[in-house]
Amino acid sequence: KAGVTQTPRYLIKTRGQQVTLSCSPISGHRSVSWYQQTPGQGLQFLFEYFSETQRNKGNFPGRFSGRQFSNSRSEMNVSTLELGDSALYLCASSWTGGGYEQYFGPGTRLTVT
Amino acid sequence: TQLLEQSPQFLSIQEGENLTVYCNSSSVFSSLQWYRQEPGEGPVLLVTVVTGGEVKKLKRLTFQFGDARKDSSLHITAAQPGDTGLYLCAGVGSGGSNYKLTFGKGTLLTVNP
Repeated sequence: KAGVTQTPRYLIKTRGQQVTLSCSPISGHRSVSWYQQTPGQGLQFLFEYFSETQRNKGNFPGRFSGRQFSNSRSEMNVSTLELGDSALYLCASSWTGGGYEQYFGPGTRLTVT
Repeated sequence: TQLLEQSPQFLSIQEGENLTVYCNSSSVFSSLQWYRQEPGEGPVLLVTVVTGGEVKKLKRLTFQFGDARKDSSLHITAAQPGDTGLYLCAGVGSGGSNYKLTFGKGTLLTVNP
């Protein structure tokens, strides 16, 4: 069974731009969660989608948004990028929901200059 | 807000030594997961502990969930260089917050040959 895939793996953007990251979950998994990982803050929960509905949201500004499609693939978007948005963005999929055993993708390394 | 504190933050040991990593919280979790993350990769689930006082073994790794389900520990016996990585604990909230994981900031373990 193929694992979670994330594209692109690396991205360099300029402050003020916007970015869209993509995640394809494991086949059959209906839940997709997104996390931001930085050296200072560790892994922080962004949001979770289940069957195309946002079921839970972390404490991030509205510049961070996401969506899930009918095939469970998910995208997250960050608008008006700031230098502090530089991080590893991880996507995780789960069969039943974001609070249970999750399978992570390799992440997208975003650098904002 | 549920928080998880991991200690130590950094650990550098010689091959063959034993070590213990701690994960503590003032909150009760319905279950707790341990992950290991290697550079350039997403976290990989090692184990889930569910019952207070539960002990699980995975080869040379022993995981324990506290009786009150507020803390956990990971003990590695005779560490090997292949054990090097970032060890993360993650708590699954109880009740209405069970759709997201709360991660600790991790313990970065280096095992020197």
